[in-house]
Amino acid sequence: QSALTQPRSVSGSPGQSLTISCTGTSSDVGGYKYVSWYQQHPGKAPKLIIFEVTKRPSGVPDRFSGSKSGNVASLTISGLQPADEADYYCCSYADRHYVFGTGTQVALL
Amino acid sequence: QVQLQESGPGLVKPSETLSLTCSVSGGSVSGYYWTWVRQPPGKGLEWIGDIFYRGDTNYNPSLKSRVTISMNTSNNQFSLKLTSVTTADTALYYCAMYDWNEGWFDPWGQGTLVVVSS
Repeated sequence: QSALTQPRSVSGSPGQSLTISCTGTSSDVGGYKYVSWYQQHPGKAPKLIIFEVTKRPSGVPDRFSGSKSGNVASLTISGLQPADEADYYCCSYADRHYVFGTGTQVALL
Repeated sequence: QVQLQESGPGLVKPSETLSLTCSVSGGSVSGYYWTWVRQPPGKGLEWIGDIFYRGDTNYNPSLKSRVTISMNTSNNQFSLKLTSVTTADTALYYCAMYDWNEGWFDPWGQGTLVVVSS
């Protein structure tokens, strides 16, 4: 099972919006609703920010939103803030196991 | 609030077995699913496998021949064993709670670094 494909890095100015893509196949992203996203700051453990494609855990700002179209899931961060600078990973269920994305580094300009 | 803490040797020799334990506090392991994820230095996350408190397991197909995840409900812990390790197994190993119904991992432990070296 290959890792899901994410852009290596994306950047944006404070207050702007950016979107991170997560490309899989019909055997993972395209086949299930169990796509989640994790935020990881340097030296810290990952933190869940989106589950089941579009749902946010309590405490996660509504600036973070998720979507999916076919085999591609996306994470959108609106109103970029300095605290959003981190690595982001998508994750998908794939028939009794899970596969993570390659990870995307978000940087503020 | 559930908290997880990984523990185990930080250095393992090639061809030997890596053994880690995840201790759960603030809640019981019973009734829930649990998982292990690893991250090589400077690289991305890799799902290793999961376990239900009754002992049912699922493993990453690429690691399945070398991995065993087991449960110790009386100690409120679960464990990871990875046999025949190589330098490619050097990574930060995380344990986490796994929601089977909604397919997410949270919370996570702080992670423990295991280096495979002679």
